[in-house]
Amino acid sequence: EVQLLESGGGLVQPGGSLRLSCAASGLTFSRYAMSWVRQAPGKGLEWFSYISDEGGSTHYADSVRGRFTISRDNSKDTLFLQMSSLRAEDTAIYYCAKGGGVGAAARFEFWGQGTLVTVSS
Amino acid sequence: IQMTQSPSTLSASVGDRVTITCRASQSITNYLAWYQQRPGKAPKLLIYDASRESGVPSRFRGSGSGTEFTLTISSLQPDDSATYFCQQYSSFSLTFGGGTKVEIK
Repeated sequence: EVQLLESGGGLVQPGGSLRLSCAASGLTFSRYAMSWVRQAPGKGLEWFSYISDEGGSTHYADSVRGRFTISRDNSKDTLFLQMSSLRAEDTAIYYCAKGGGVGAAARFEFWGQGTLVTVSS
Repeated sequence: IQMTQSPSTLSASVGDRVTITCRASQSITNYLAWYQQRPGKAPKLLIYDASRESGVPSRFRGSGSGTEFTLTISSLQPDDSATYFCQQYSSFSLTFGGGTKVEIK
């Protein structure tokens, strides 16, 4: 059974930093692209970061480019998100998702349960 | 690419046929997915590339290509009360529709 378990969320002050992790199990992690998607309270879904299976290709939404960095450690089946210069509008549930990318079958096949990030003073 | 969903909410009875529309601001061929999100839960993939994900009930059907797409629930069930999102994966930046909340009368 595929499982994605996010961790690292919490309360952080504006301008602060936070690192999220997503531990994967039940799949050959190194074979799959991964993404981060977030959802502000009561709002819709926003994709904002993608990394290819081996980590050689990354993409970001304009809303986070230059502030967030996606990475992965395939030896530990773990996806990371380093967030800096956090703003109130970054407050959201952060989901890691298996898949993403563009082209045939590039859907978000499976999602973790999410971790809440709250940016507030 | 902007994704526009309609309606934003709908209320229907058990057994009704329900249709949700998603329009793309430019052609995305058939690179479109539909997700179901129940309150407090993570989204779940229903449809991609116009095909049902494994394990998804046959009452869910996705259709369309180019810029206009529909998700049809052929006979609404109580378990289908949720918010539904479309998402394009034709090009980065990947984008979602605003969501359609389906309520059971």
